Amino acid sequence: DTAVSQTPKYLVTQMGNDKSIKCEQNLGHDTMYWYKQDSKKFLKIMFSYNNKELIINETVPNRFSPKSPDKAHLNLHINSLELGDSAVYFCASSQLGGGNEQFFGPGTRLTVL
Amino acid sequence: SQQGEEDPQALSIQEGENATMNCSYKTSINNLQWYRQNSGRGLVHLILIRSNEREKHSGRLRVTLDTSKKSSSLLITASRAADTASYFCATALAETSGSRLTFGEGTQLTVNP
Repeated sequence: DTAVSQTPKYLVTQMGNDKSIKCEQNLGHDTMYWYKQDSKKFLKIMFSYNNKELIINETVPNRFSPKSPDKAHLNLHINSLELGDSAVYFCASSQLGGGNEQFFGPGTRLTVL
Repeated sequence: SQQGEEDPQALSIQEGENATMNCSYKTSINNLQWYRQNSGRGLVHLILIRSNEREKHSGRLRVTLDTSKKSSSLLITASRAADTASYFCATALAETSGSRLTFGEGTQLTVNP
């Protein structure tokens, strides 16, 4: 069974469009994250939610809006997509506290044309 | 520069050889973790070493931590072609909120058969 799943795996879209990426974890974790990995493989945290509450919000354009309907789901909605948004987006989850081990989803490769 | 910096950026060895990757960081940490990322996949947790530990083993992996030098190393012994991947260190800061991890830039390991 997949522990952290994301959909879609690939997303190709035009500049200016709005798109969403969905994430679900079945590990019973309290905390979920969104990361962006650029073409040089640098991984940067974007958001973190603990039990549906936002706890980390890095300097990310407000075109990016996370939504957590329950603690097992964390979705990422992106408005007015730009070329620079092209990257691989990873969802992850962990138990809260002390920098615990994180479990990553397979990633969503977003290409903005 | 980043909290976690790794060297080398790329390492190419023959099957059976040992591979050593290094990670340096700047601030006090709670723990340091190593992750592996196969091409086109999500990150997988390998090992976690706490700030009060100096060495840890897991199978063919050996991790050391020197908090006085703010550095860690990951040794993979008797490497296999299947070890080919990117390896990232990640630090959990001592005064972290939530479960924030800061990732290094990664080392691309290629193990030639």
